[in-house]
Order: sequence, then structure tokens, then C-alpha cells
Amino acid sequence: EAQVTQNPRYLITVTGKKLTVTCSQNMNHEYMSWYRQDPGLGLRQIYYSMNVEVTDKGDVPEGYKVSRKEKRNFPLILESPSPNQTSLYFCASSLYGTGGEETQYFGPGTRLLVL
Amino acid sequence: RKEVEQDPGPFNVPEGATVAFNCTYSNSASQSFFWYRQDCRKEPKLLMSVYSSGNEDGRFTAQLNRASQYISLLIRDSKLSDSATYLCVVNTDKLIFGTGTRLQVFP
Repeated sequence: EAQVTQNPRYLITVTGKKLTVTCSQNMNHEYMSWYRQDPGLGLRQIYYSMNVEVTDKGDVPEGYKVSRKEKRNFPLILESPSPNQTSLYFCASSLYGTGGEETQYFGPGTRLLVL
Repeated sequence: RKEVEQDPGPFNVPEGATVAFNCTYSNSASQSFFWYRQDCRKEPKLLMSVYSSGNEDGRFTAQLNRASQYISLLIRDSKLSDSATYLCVVNTDKLIFGTGTRLQVFP
């Protein structure tokens, strides 16, 4: 089944404790991205990757890191989480990017609470 | 002004009703337009793309008015299963998501 998976789905952590949220897709998509969703703000892009070893900042990259060592995986790293990073996080992928009629396929989401 | 604006709702409608959602966008250079559906606490999923000529998919009709920078989604014969949040998405050089309009269909 074609899908985007994320782990963990739920995470409670404390300020400053490094964490990684994994994202994997099995559709051979070149483009992957991370979003956070907060009430009243909609989805905002954190980072995106056009292909292996090619990553770039989205609209809200502060406090986050990413890597793209393999085509299928795009982990999101919070080196020193803070309470303002409490949010619902979605990984997404598409064949080539966001142009034209490209459909974005979203993972199931990771709900993060930073105390 | 937000780049993509939607009425947050909620729209509470009975089964069988027709309901319309609107969305406005600020960047006249926007190239493509979509409606995504998001069920509570779940991921967004593409509902349909929106074309200038208008397009229909079963009970759903989407319209784009480039001159007014306005997108609409019409749902006819609402079902209980249509209850969700509908996200307007506009593509300039990146995807801009609206905050969504919540629809609740009651029996």
C-alpha cells in the first residue's frame, strides 16, 4: 500500500531533550516536506527536500533540523525542544514538488507536547 | 492580510443540504488551487483540484474566479460522512494552506 509513515504518533517530552521524528514513504517520491499545524494558523512548512541530500528551509525552520540521506526517509530533528514547538506535525511527499497538479500525500501526523 | 483566508465556520447543516465554502487568496500570481479534506486529528487528503472552468466530482463542485481571487467549494446532498474540515490550498511558488472551514452534518 502506498503510504507515508511517521513515528512516533504521540510524544511527550521535556524542554531540551533532543528528539527525532521519523518519516518514510514507499512511493519513490523525490519531494518530501515537514509541516506543523497549530490552531488558527493552518499548516506551515518547516523544511522541504527536493531530492537526496537537497534540503531547504520553509517558513518556520527555527529550532528544527532535517536530513535526506535516502530517498524514502526524511527525519525531523529537534535538537533542544521548547514548549513553543508543541504542535501537530505532518510529513508529506509528492512525486516532484509542489508545482502544477501535484498531489501531496501526508503522513498520519505526530502530536508533540513539550513540557 | 492572510495569504489565504477562509471562514472557519463551523457550518452546521442537516443531511441532504447544499453547502458552499469560500476562500480568497492575496497573490494574483498564484498558479494552482486545491481543496483538501481533513478529518479530526487526521492528515489532510486531496479532495479535488480547482480549475478556472470549474470542475465537478460527484456531489462536489469547485470554482475558481481569478479576477476576484476567489475559490469556492459546493457540496450537494450532504452526508454525515462529509463532516470534516475543508482546507483551501493555493500554490504560488509554494503551497499556502488556509486555516480550514469546519463542516458538521447532522441527521
